Amino acid sequence: NAGVTQTPKFQVLKTGQSMTLQCAQDMNHEYMSWYRQDPGMGLRLIHYSVGAGITDQGEVPNGYNVSRSTTEDFPLRLLSAAPSQTSVYFCASSQAGTSGDTQYFGPGTRLTVL
Amino acid sequence: GNSVTQMEGPVTLSEEAFLTINCTYTATGYPSLFWYVQYPGEGLQLLLKATKADDKGSNKGFEATYRKETTSFHLEKGSVQVSDSAVYFCALSDPGGYNKLIFGAGTRLAVHP
Repeated sequence: NAGVTQTPKFQVLKTGQSMTLQCAQDMNHEYMSWYRQDPGMGLRLIHYSVGAGITDQGEVPNGYNVSRSTTEDFPLRLLSAAPSQTSVYFCASSQAGTSGDTQYFGPGTRLTVL
Repeated sequence: GNSVTQMEGPVTLSEEAFLTINCTYTATGYPSLFWYVQYPGEGLQLLLKATKADDKGSNKGFEATYRKETTSFHLEKGSVQVSDSAVYFCALSDPGGYNKLIFGAGTRLAVHP
């Protein structure tokens, strides 16, 4: 199993550009989520999904869109990038959306918005 | 709201020293508690977890006990190694439903030979 994979590993954008961060998992997990990691703040939840076709907002959803058309994939879209979105983005998955389930994280995407 | 507070780093230790990283939480209900570790340039890996009061999680010589009376989940290791150098995150799983994690700010550990 590859686990949770993310692409790209690094990305530089200009303000106002759009892009999609890709996330895929091959463990047949129902629950997937996106976090951003900023210095001194730990990780914060952006969006999550409890299954194909079902998504919901986390703590910091503004400026991001998600969709879940398949169990395996959960892309994160930046509609109009802003410097405040400079961060490291992590995708995670778990078997179910039950509190206490182990979440498995991808290697991350480091995004810089100029 | 729910939150996690962990001791600020960096923590610098010599090899074979005893490690404690403090973590306290605020939550309504009964959250599950986790320690994740992030090695340089990598994503987060689960180190250990506890899902109910008085449970002890353990892995790779690390331990933490879920203390409901003190709302704490302190991470300990009796003898650290250089390979333990990493950032450690304490987290709780929102007891209100689904597996939404709330993280502390992270504690960087540097172990010197």
